[in-house]
Amino acid sequence: DIQMTQSPSSLSASVGDRVTITCRASQSINNYLNWYQQKPGKAPKLLIYAASSLQSGVPSRFSGSGSGTDFTLTISNLHPEDFATFYCQQSHTIPLTFGGGTKVEIK
Amino acid sequence: QVQLVESGGGVVQPGRSLRLSCAASGFTFSTYGIHWVRQAPGKGLEWVALISYDGGKKYYADSVKGRFTISRDNSKNTLYLQMNSLRAEDTAVYYCAKDGKQYCSGGNCYFFDSWGQGTLVTVSS
Repeated sequence: DIQMTQSPSSLSASVGDRVTITCRASQSINNYLNWYQQKPGKAPKLLIYAASSLQSGVPSRFSGSGSGTDFTLTISNLHPEDFATFYCQQSHTIPLTFGGGTKVEIK
Repeated sequence: QVQLVESGGGVVQPGRSLRLSCAASGFTFSTYGIHWVRQAPGKGLEWVALISYDGGKKYYADSVKGRFTISRDNSKNTLYLQMNSLRAEDTAVYYCAKDGKQYCSGGNCYFFDSWGQGTLVTVSS
């Protein structure tokens, strides 16, 4: 199975900050990497697919980059509603696997 | 508007069975693969199973293979998950989630662009 490792596991940030979350795959997954945001008690929401494609309706302050094994999710200007847990997911090989999550908290 | 609504969760004893359902609306159900993804309390996300748009292909996580069966009824726009021989470690919120593209057959569309609200399964004696 492909292992997905996210870092950091949590971070504290302020409104307006630029935040970067990284995700590393245990083997090359080309650009088959997707990002989700999950708020407490809610289902995850797709933000980015194919490493850098912004899902319809998602604010442009969210962006993704990377290919191969190393990927990044960037939030350019943190809004109050962005405080949540973020997960990466590889869609290269079944079984599909997720990273362990990054919790973004208010500083 | 895409809508996925899970049902069938509840409390069940170890070793017993449960069947989850996911009712879909707002899109052409028969053209999309559908997944089950679960989340244990306070934990991360775990992919469980996938069924192709026509039901011809089914894939499972090793943790549920041989115990869970995914199926669909395209005439009823409904997805199912039959869970047998349940264990305490199967306790989780179970979500159904839709493939990102129609007629998906590869990794460029195995992402989840719409999710249900989830149904809680608790396995406990």
